[in-house]
Amino acid sequence: GQQLNQSPQSMFIQEGEDVSMNCTSSSIFNTWLWYKQDPGEGPVLLIALYKAGELTSNGRLTAQFGITRKDSFLNISASIPSDVGIYFCAGRDSGTYKYIFGTGTRLKVLA
Amino acid sequence: DAMVIQNPRYQVTQFGKPVTLSCSQTLNHNVMYWYQQKSSQAPKLLFHYYDKDFNNEADTPDNFQSRRPNTSFCFLDIRSPGLGDAAMYLCATSRSPITETQYFGPGTRLLVL
Repeated sequence: GQQLNQSPQSMFIQEGEDVSMNCTSSSIFNTWLWYKQDPGEGPVLLIALYKAGELTSNGRLTAQFGITRKDSFLNISASIPSDVGIYFCAGRDSGTYKYIFGTGTRLKVLA
Repeated sequence: DAMVIQNPRYQVTQFGKPVTLSCSQTLNHNVMYWYQQKSSQAPKLLFHYYDKDFNNEADTPDNFQSRRPNTSFCFLDIRSPGLGDAAMYLCATSRSPITETQYFGPGTRLLVL
């Protein structure tokens, strides 16, 4: 099925560093969602974005809905060990109940 | 409080033996989804229900069926599991097309022997 391009594929960072990841699409979306998934668990919603240009924060996490509506960015500031996991973006266009998922960014934090 | 509940969390079945996975929600959401996820890949949508309307993805094998007897419950039936069906199965819900946020359950990991 269709997937969004998500980068980077994986990251190894030191505790305390900031992290940036992004998703790009050839299609225009009306909604962007960012999830974190721990091993053996379901994805947990981090941030939802509904308008082009929207910038939303959730604690140390900040996500933006790209102006072109074809991309989204997630930033994590001052990373901590529990930030380890796989981060997925998901985009959706109007008129459908389906979400298209990114390929995931695997984050590892070194203490 | 759990909002999307999946049981069991781990399921072992034999090759070819039918298996049913269950999902329930306390959110009263209209839309329920079933996804298959393999080894750190992105979740792959199998089908979804909008109320009682069933929508199958074109590439979902006939081996996979679903039932939604009421708003709260949705079941995934795998009629004859093969080794390739071993995966994490995720249930998700969303209220409606207007409120578009999607919430996932913890998943059921299926092992096929």
